[in-house]
Amino acid sequence: GAVVSQHPSRVICKSGTSVKIECRSLDFQATTMFWYRQFPKQSLMLMATSNEGSKATYEQGVEKDKFLINHASLTLSTLTVTSAHPEDSSFYICSAPSSGGGNEQFFGPGTRLTVL
Amino acid sequence: SQKIEQNSEALNIQEGKTATLTCNYTNYSPAYLQWYRQDPGRGPVFLLLIRENEKEKRKERLKVTFDTTLKQSLFHITASQPADSATYLCALVWYKGSSNTGKLIFGQGTTLQVKP
Repeated sequence: GAVVSQHPSRVICKSGTSVKIECRSLDFQATTMFWYRQFPKQSLMLMATSNEGSKATYEQGVEKDKFLINHASLTLSTLTVTSAHPEDSSFYICSAPSSGGGNEQFFGPGTRLTVL
Repeated sequence: SQKIEQNSEALNIQEGKTATLTCNYTNYSPAYLQWYRQDPGRGPVFLLLIRENEKEKRKERLKVTFDTTLKQSLFHITASQPADSATYLCALVWYKGSSNTGKLIFGQGTTLQVKP
């Protein structure tokens, strides 16, 4: 199946700093990618839809100025958590849809963000 | 709003038995329902998809049913093995407006523990 990678897999940063997370589709092109956040023992919550060549679409309650998304190419989307605070500590996961009709998603391995 | 619920209690079964996980949804008529497996600290992995006009889908030891009247999907693992221990997530696909790309709305997941 298709492979999606994320980098870094784990990051620890100080409060107030910005962190960039990369999501790459390795063997296919993705005009759309999705970013999710998952808190411990909770389900994945969709944060935003990343669109190549246009602005991202954010879910209700997600601050677009805090979570900057850039879909620079057909294989790369980045999520930047700006001025991170401890409450932003979470597991961030990206996905890209398959070309099949059922919209199944290929997920990255996730990035564990810890803000001190 | 759309809501999708899974039994949040962990399911413990003996190796060789059949595991059955439940997924219920409200306020929506999804065209597709999907099941994913998630291991700790990892991104979800797609397992099966079932369409609204399908009653049952099988893949090796996995079986999914879809009852659009009850608004429920059941996920079965036959001849379960300790390696099947993981969290299983169901997700419905939601198409907003005229968008061709569906968004996934996830249930909170059910953790399965298969004991040898």
